This record gives sequence, C-alpha cells and structure tokens, in this order.
Amino acid sequence: EPEVTQTPSHQVTQMGQEVILRCVPISNHLYFYWYRQILGQKVEFLVSFYNNEISEKSEIFDDQFSVERPDGSNFTLKIRSTKLEDSAMYFCASRSAPQETQYFGPGTRLLVL
Amino acid sequence: KQEVTQIPAALSVPEGENLVLNCSFTDSAIYNLQWFRQDPGKGLTSLLLIQSSQREQTSGRLNASLDKSSGRSTLYIAASQPGDSATYLCAVSDSIGSARQLTFGSGTQLTVLP
Repeated sequence: EPEVTQTPSHQVTQMGQEVILRCVPISNHLYFYWYRQILGQKVEFLVSFYNNEISEKSEIFDDQFSVERPDGSNFTLKIRSTKLEDSAMYFCASRSAPQETQYFGPGTRLLVL
Repeated sequence: KQEVTQIPAALSVPEGENLVLNCSFTDSAIYNLQWFRQDPGKGLTSLLLIQSSQREQTSGRLNASLDKSSGRSTLYIAASQPGDSATYLCAVSDSIGSARQLTFGSGTQLTVLP
C-alpha cells in the first residue's frame, strides 16, 4: 500500500542552523501538508501546498519557514535559522483531490540545541 | 477560531470492553472529521473519515458518529484488545477554502489491559 515517507527520522541541530526536512508524498496525491507536534502538545497545522504554491499557512509559518516541491516526488520544509522552540516532531501529509483523507508520514523528530 | 476538545484525556479498560471516546468542536461549519491513531513516537494512522453530510462511518470494530449541529463526534471501539492501546486523535477540517487543513484535539490515551 502506498505511504508517505519522511527523512531523516531524527535530526539534531544547533540553534541558528538551517535544516531541511524531506517528504515523499503518495504519488498520485495533489495536496501536501506540513504539521508539527511539540512534545506533549497538539498536532498543529503549518502549511498546505497545491499546484506548486502555498494554499494556506498558519501563524506559526513565518518568514523562517519555506516549502518547496523541487521535483515530481519530493516535498521539503526548510527552517532557515532554527530556534530552540522549533524542537518538535514534524509530520508531512498528503491527499488526492477527490479523496479527503489525509495520509501522514512517520515524522521527523527535530531537536534544536 | 476552531477549537477541538477530547475527553477523557486518558482511559484504561480491561480487554473485551466496549468503549466510547468523545470529541467536540466549537465551530460547526466543518467539511469533515477524521479520527486517527497515534502510537508512541510514531506517525498518525487514519482510522475513519466522516463527511459533514454523514452521520456515521464504520470500519471493523470501529464506529464513528457525527452530530455536526451540536459539534460532537464519538468513536466507539467494540471488544477492545491490548493492541488497541494508543492515543486517539480527532481532527476537523473547515468548510472554507479547499486546503482542508486539520485542527486537532489533544487526544485520548487509551490503555487496554490484558
């Protein structure tokens, strides 16, 4: 069964460094999402992406964040200058246009020191 | 702003019991509601999706109901098993726009004792 994959599974970085989190959505899906979950808190929406552009973004998704679909398969989240409070599990999700179910990847656990 | 609440926060039951998890949301203008399962340190597995026009959905031992006007959903798990132990998350997508981003509750942590 097709699934969303994410790399790396874990990443440790120093405050102020740039990180890129990678996702491969399910191949025929058209909508892509990033969510994050700070330890012990709710899953929060960051950004949605459709037709090669951002369709919605939350207040969390400020100028330090960017997303890109550099080729036909990858979907990336870049954090330009990481802060301690960016430490969280980051989930990628995708869905097809008629199907409403969002399918989530296993997540990337980011730790900013 | 949509708020999603789940009660109880934690639940412990003996194997074989039927149980109900509750979810409520403040804005009834939702497009759909999705129930997920999250195992410790892992991703989210979609269990059921209910469209706003539907009243319930069933998958195996799981049954989810939706009362949109009152802002409530329940997830019924029949004949619980230790393998059902996980955190169950409820999430709603709003009817405005086509992005369908999800707003999540904080989850119910379920432990099924053998």
